[in-house]
Amino acid sequence: DVQLLQSGAEVKKPGESLRISCKGSGYTFSNYWIGWVRQMPGKGLEWMGIIYPGDSDTKYSPSFRGQVTISADKSISTAYLQWSSLKASDTAMYFCARHPSGYSNSWSDYWGQGTLVTVSS
Amino acid sequence: EIVLTQSPGTLSLSPGERATLSCRASESVSSNSLAWYQQKPGQSPRLLIYSASARATGIPDRFSGSASGTDFTLTITRLEPEDFAVYYCQQYGSSPPFTFGPGTKVDIK
Repeated sequence: DVQLLQSGAEVKKPGESLRISCKGSGYTFSNYWIGWVRQMPGKGLEWMGIIYPGDSDTKYSPSFRGQVTISADKSISTAYLQWSSLKASDTAMYFCARHPSGYSNSWSDYWGQGTLVTVSS
Repeated sequence: EIVLTQSPGTLSLSPGERATLSCRASESVSSNSLAWYQQKPGQSPRLLIYSASARATGIPDRFSGSASGTDFTLTITRLEPEDFAVYYCQQYGSSPPFTFGPGTKVDIK
C-alpha cells in the first residue's frame, strides 16, 4: 500500500529553523512527484511546490519561493520542507502529497497525515 | 496564475438531497486538468475526481464531475451522512502554481 508518513508536530520560536519530512513507502519513490500544501488554521489549501525525487527538479509557487526550501533524498524515500527563519505566520498544518505519475501536471492521489507547525514566542 | 472561485461558500442540505458544487477558473484550464478533494475536520484531503470527471479509486458513483469551458461542477446525487465535509477544486493544467479553490462547505441542514 502507498503510504506517506510525515514527521511529528513541531513548536518553534520565531527566527528558528525547521525541517519537516515526508517518507514514502509502497511505491518507487524516485519516480513520482511529491508536493507540499499549507493549510493555515481554519483556512483552505494552498499549493506550495513540488519535487521530483529522481533528479530533484523542483517547482515553487511564487508565493512560497524564497520562503521555504523543498528537497528530497531518494536513497531514504523522503521529501523535506525547510525554513531557515520561521515567522508566526508560518503556523499551519503542512501536508505532503504524491502525484500519480512522472508528470508534474497531475493531481494528488495519496496524502500524508499532516505536520502541525506552531511558531510562537 | 489561474484563480479558482468556488460557489456557494456553504451549502446546507439534508441527507438524501442532491448537492451541486461549482468551481470557475479565471482562464482556460488545459485538458480539463481539474481535481476535486474532500476534507473532513482533522483529516487530510481525499481525492475524489481527477481530469474533471474521472472518479478516483474507491470513490462511490454518487460523486460525479463535469466540465463546460471554464466551469466545473461536482455533483453528489444523494448525500450520505459521511459526505458532509469541505470540498476543494484544484487545477493542474498550466505551469505551477497548481492552485486550489477556496472550498465549499457542505453542512447538515
